[in-house]
Amino acid sequence: SQTIHQWPATLVQPVGSPLSLECTVEGTSNPNLYWYRQAAGRGLQLLFYSVGIGQISSEVPQNLSASRPQDRQFILSSKKLLLSDSGFYLCAWSLAGIAYEQYFGPGTRLTVT
Amino acid sequence: AQSVTQLGSHVSVSEGALVLLRCNYSSSVPPYLFWYVQYPNQGLQLLLKYTTGATLVKGINGFEAEFKKSETSFHLTKPSAHMSDAAEYFCAVSWAGGGNKLTFGTGTQLKVEL
Repeated sequence: SQTIHQWPATLVQPVGSPLSLECTVEGTSNPNLYWYRQAAGRGLQLLFYSVGIGQISSEVPQNLSASRPQDRQFILSSKKLLLSDSGFYLCAWSLAGIAYEQYFGPGTRLTVT
Repeated sequence: AQSVTQLGSHVSVSEGALVLLRCNYSSSVPPYLFWYVQYPNQGLQLLLKYTTGATLVKGINGFEAEFKKSETSFHLTKPSAHMSDAAEYFCAVSWAGGGNKLTFGTGTQLKVEL
């Protein structure tokens, strides 16, 4: 069966510090991968998605970047965090195709102080 | 552009009462529709999905939803609410040409009272 991992589970970082969040998927090959953010009291915002190694689509211009160095690894990064980067970050995967549901990881709670 | 609207950001029901969470979509092509549930500080979990075929879809935890094309709706129901159903619920849509993405509604927080 497929499993999706995210770490760390919680993170407190000062403004201006770098960020690296990692997501890995087990039990499937060539998945589509997604990064979402939930800010307090708001819905899900799609940040990035990837349909293959090195292929990243950015949905919202911002202080973040994403990379996919391996087939089942997806990394979210920032060089300098802003207060507005605080939120709950979710990674998800799906099979390739339009009718397939996404499966979500447990999330990372990021607080920028 | 395709979109999804969830009416009511907060819904409160009594334990044992009917749960009805509303979702309407806007799509110029046949949609694929999903309902997810999120418990506090957790990821989203798929409740059910509609792609093609039978318009009444049954999911986990006793939930079901009916695709009504004429009403552009995909409302989520459960005959009898349980305290454990208290969570946030998200409706989502995808479609051909949508680029492997889901468009989510803004969510409905369900509260279940004794």
